Amino acid sequence: AQSVTQLDSQVPVFEEAPVELRCNYSSSVSVYLFWYVQYPNQGLQLLLKYLSGSTLVKGINGFEAEFNKSQTSFHLRKPSVHISDTAEYFCAVSVTDKLIFGTGTRLQVFP
Amino acid sequence: NAGVMQNPRHLVRRRGQEARLRCSPMKGHSHVYWYRQLPEEGLKFMVYLQKENIIDESGMPKERFSAEFPKEGPSILRIQQVVRGDSAAYFCASSPRQNSNYGYTFGSGTRLTVV
Repeated sequence: AQSVTQLDSQVPVFEEAPVELRCNYSSSVSVYLFWYVQYPNQGLQLLLKYLSGSTLVKGINGFEAEFNKSQTSFHLRKPSVHISDTAEYFCAVSVTDKLIFGTGTRLQVFP
Repeated sequence: NAGVMQNPRHLVRRRGQEARLRCSPMKGHSHVYWYRQLPEEGLKFMVYLQKENIIDESGMPKERFSAEFPKEGPSILRIQQVVRGDSAAYFCASSPRQNSNYGYTFGSGTRLTVV
């Protein structure tokens, strides 16, 4: 069965520092992977997705993620974070007609 | 071009009452998904509907919960005889296609509090 593991429940970081949010998946079939962001009291917004092709995927707000099949990972990165990036980030894998989400990583950016 | 609209944004119910959550998908989207987010947890799939059909309800609790997506009007998630454990954020998402590979568009959610 497909599943998603987000290894860090919280990631504190100072403004303008780089950040990496880790995501590992398990799947016996071809995977399609997503990162969503959830700002406080809001719904989820799609950051980026990997369907096929280049393993480096660029998304909105300066985020990017790299699909690594051998390590079954899809880590999210940003070279320089901003206070406004403070939010909850969810990794997800597509399973036919639905998305399976990880438990989320809370990114806290400090000034 | 309005996004996915959910209402109400906040809903308070006493134990034993009914909760009705509404979701209007994006224009042109005929596939609707309901997810539940318990405090400090990720989103859990509940049900996937297409107009007038339930496609996948594998995540729905067996009792008290039901969902519909009529030919006209919004999708409704109905919770009968609510209990404290039903307190959560309920998110609706829609897509133009059956396959979730393209991702969804999410609404802002309904936060249900059972007192």
